[in-house]
Amino acid sequence: QKEVEQNSGPLSVPEGAIASLNCTYSDRGSQSFFWYRQYSGKSPELIMSIYSNGDKEDGRFTAQLNKASQYVSLLIRDSQPSDSATYLCAVKKGAQKLVFGQGTRLTINP
Amino acid sequence: GAGVSQTPSNKVTEKGKYVELRCDPISGHTALYWYRQSLGQGPEFLIYFQGTGAADDSGLPNDRFFAVRPEGSVSTLKIQRTERGDSAVYLCASSPNRGGEQFFGPGTRLTVL
Repeated sequence: QKEVEQNSGPLSVPEGAIASLNCTYSDRGSQSFFWYRQYSGKSPELIMSIYSNGDKEDGRFTAQLNKASQYVSLLIRDSQPSDSATYLCAVKKGAQKLVFGQGTRLTINP
Repeated sequence: GAGVSQTPSNKVTEKGKYVELRCDPISGHTALYWYRQSLGQGPEFLIYFQGTGAADDSGLPNDRFFAVRPEGSVSTLKIQRTERGDSAVYLCASSPNRGGEQFFGPGTRLTVL
């Protein structure tokens, strides 16, 4: 079992709709969770961090964490073509290192 | 302010050669990380520095890989006797303190022919 699992996609969503990206992790003791966006040929860009159960909203982005189910998700409201990218879920292991999922490729269709 | 910078942006080398990849973290960031990303995969951890010392090098794949950060700022990842399997994008990240959010540089794309 991989430490962090994501559906590789591609996930195709019409413009203006809600995109929902999911991630599960295996280490029940994990405390810190991150979503990175990566455009093709570019490096990962941090868009959300979440540490407590529940929802955290930042603009059109909402991160959701459920530690009991070992599940973290990212919702993108009012999806735009510029949101088309690969979204990487990362879980902090130990004090420092990030363990990444393989990423979900998201395409927003105009 | 300036983000993490990495040089070179691209490096093409021949099998068996030695390469050095450089990372300049965000000013004031004490923690520095190296990751490696292969096509279609998420980044994989290589090594973490807190200040000048390598606090965790558990991700280095073998003894051909070595990294230094002699003055607690710029770091160099060194790869000896490169192999074709070393081809990947090498990413550097920094964070303002131990345990903080990590911010990535643009990466160095290494191609070993």
